[in-house]
Amino acid sequence: SAVISQKPSRDICQRGTSLTIQCQVDSQVTMMFWYRQQPGQSLTLIATANQGSEATYESGFVIDKFPISRPNLTFSTLTVSNMSPEDSSIYLCSAREASGRNTEAFFGQGTRLTVV
Amino acid sequence: KQEVTQIPAALSVPEGENLVLNCSFTDSAIYNLQWFRQDPGKGLTSLLLIQSSQREQTSGRLNASLDKSSGRSTLYIAASQPGDSATYLCAVILQGGSEKLVFGKGTKLTVNP
Repeated sequence: SAVISQKPSRDICQRGTSLTIQCQVDSQVTMMFWYRQQPGQSLTLIATANQGSEATYESGFVIDKFPISRPNLTFSTLTVSNMSPEDSSIYLCSAREASGRNTEAFFGQGTRLTVV
Repeated sequence: KQEVTQIPAALSVPEGENLVLNCSFTDSAIYNLQWFRQDPGKGLTSLLLIQSSQREQTSGRLNASLDKSSGRSTLYIAASQPGDSATYLCAVILQGGSEKLVFGKGTKLTVNP
């Protein structure tokens, strides 16, 4: 199974600043996703990171706030822009080894973000 | 809109007990259901994937079942151990549309020595 490395593992940031989270997979994967887990809540998909094209965002999430890059089949970044305390969450990168919905999804260890 | 519910929200059991965690979903048109474990402040570890054509999957002391028509899945943990203490999440992928996972809020399990 694929191994996903995510960094930083945690950070405390000032409001108004931006943070870029990196996600590295140890093998080529077709699908990569970014999720957010707010305190006490379930995971919510932010966007699907598409290799070679713009990310596909879910309702309620916009590119200006959460720009995403995916330059190749093993790497993606998520930037949380102009942060406010409401952005304090765990952000998780996920990947699926092959296209098709019947393959297992894997997750990184998450980035715990606190905005002060 | 698919909604995934997990009951109970929290469960505390003595070591050695067998237990069942429940997951229900409102739309039975799913491709698969996946169970995860999440330790505090950490990412998710995949436990079991059940495809829509399957009824159950087993891995060690874990057994997950799926009844797609009734929108239910259970995760059975045999002979629980303190190391099983974590939050257990279930998630489904819907037929058609994106490949995103729709998650429940999880069941926080505490196994007491």
